[in-house]
Amino acid sequence: GAVVSQHPSRVICKSGTSVKIECRSLDFQATTMFWYRQFPKQSLMLMATSNEGSKATYEQGVEKDKFLINHASLTLSTLTVTSAHPEDSSFYICSARESVGYGYTFGSGTRLTVV
Amino acid sequence: GDSVTQMEGPVTLSEEAFLTINCTYTATGYPSLFWYVQYPGEGLQLLLKATKADDKGSNKGFEATYRKETTSFHLEKGSVQVSDSAVYFCALSPGSNDYKLSFGAGTTVTVRA
Repeated sequence: GAVVSQHPSRVICKSGTSVKIECRSLDFQATTMFWYRQFPKQSLMLMATSNEGSKATYEQGVEKDKFLINHASLTLSTLTVTSAHPEDSSFYICSARESVGYGYTFGSGTRLTVV
Repeated sequence: GDSVTQMEGPVTLSEEAFLTINCTYTATGYPSLFWYVQYPGEGLQLLLKATKADDKGSNKGFEATYRKETTSFHLEKGSVQVSDSAVYFCALSPGSNDYKLSFGAGTTVTVRA
């Protein structure tokens, strides 16, 4: 079945540094990828929708200059958290929608801790 | 806008008990409905889905029926196991060109031996 690989699974970084999270669709083409943020014991909050070859569409309240999203190919999207602060610590999950057929496949998530 | 309201937990059950998690939705048009499961420290996995009214999604002993008249998609399992302990999310997709998923708040289920 469809697989989405998300790396790293865990990352700890210092305040003020930037962190890049990768999301790859391994066996299908994903014209659209989604980035979510999940706070402890809460639901997923959609941050942005990423379409291959075009600028990401951010949800209201999400800072596009802080959360940089790049979707350069049909199999790779990246989320870069710039100038990270402790309040950015969270669980980030990507999802890819198959361009042929119907289905959303989620990555295994990235636990970001900013110290 | 489209939204999903899900029964709040946590829910604690004994093995072999019957599980029901309620989910209702608000949407225009004809949405598709999903249940996702999240095991500790992991991402979400699709459990089942239904794309039109009266469809029944089923997987691993779980079932949910798309009820348009009651705008519901309740999740059920007749006999739970310890391995079913997880967080369950009900979700909705408008089903048109808008591919965004709207999630419910999630229900934490703990099954005790």
